[in-house]
Amino acid sequence: EIVLTQSPGTLSLSPGERATLSCRASQSVSSSYLAWYQQKPGQAPRLLIYGASSRATGIPDRFSGSGSGTDFTLTISRLEPEDFAVYYCQQYGSSPQLTFGGGTKVEIK
Amino acid sequence: QVQLVESGGGVVQPGGSLRLSCAASGFTFSSYGMHWVRQAPGKGLEWVAFIRYDGSNKYYADSVKGRFTISRDNSKNTLYLQMNSLRAEDTAVYYCAKDGTYSSSWPSLMDVWGKGTTVTVSS
Repeated sequence: EIVLTQSPGTLSLSPGERATLSCRASQSVSSSYLAWYQQKPGQAPRLLIYGASSRATGIPDRFSGSGSGTDFTLTISRLEPEDFAVYYCQQYGSSPQLTFGGGTKVEIK
Repeated sequence: QVQLVESGGGVVQPGGSLRLSCAASGFTFSSYGMHWVRQAPGKGLEWVAFIRYDGSNKYYADSVKGRFTISRDNSKNTLYLQMNSLRAEDTAVYYCAKDGTYSSSWPSLMDVWGKGTTVTVSS
């Protein structure tokens, strides 16, 4: 099973600042099959990024994903008030058993 | 619009059983694999199970293997999760989610999620 470790656990930033979230895999993720999700309190997760760097339908371009192998990054270029949430990475393609990272909470400083 | 609506959650005693349902609409249900994902109170996301678009392949997390069964009825556009031998650690919000890859045999990403149904295992 591929273990995904997200850091930091919590990121305290102000609106307008840049957020950089990390997701590290215990082994190489096949073909960069890495997705990112956003979850707000009391809501279901929402797909943001798939294939490590492709934005899902309707996702603003301030969200971008990068990385390959075992190291992946989600960047939010300028935080909007609605971006304060918890973000999860998820790997697929390497095993039929999918795994999520533990999450990074982006909170208002 | 694409929509997933879960139902069937509730309070059940340890060792008991529950069946969750997920009604799908707005897309060709029979062409996509489907997932169940859960989230324990205050915790992160945990993938539970996947079923291929035609129901022929199923995959489970080790934590539920042998106790949970995923199934689907493409004539009713409905996904199910039969949960047996429930434990306190199964307490969670259970989400159904649509796989993002057309006619995939292999679980991938989840591009549409329902709002979830809550399962509480307690005596």
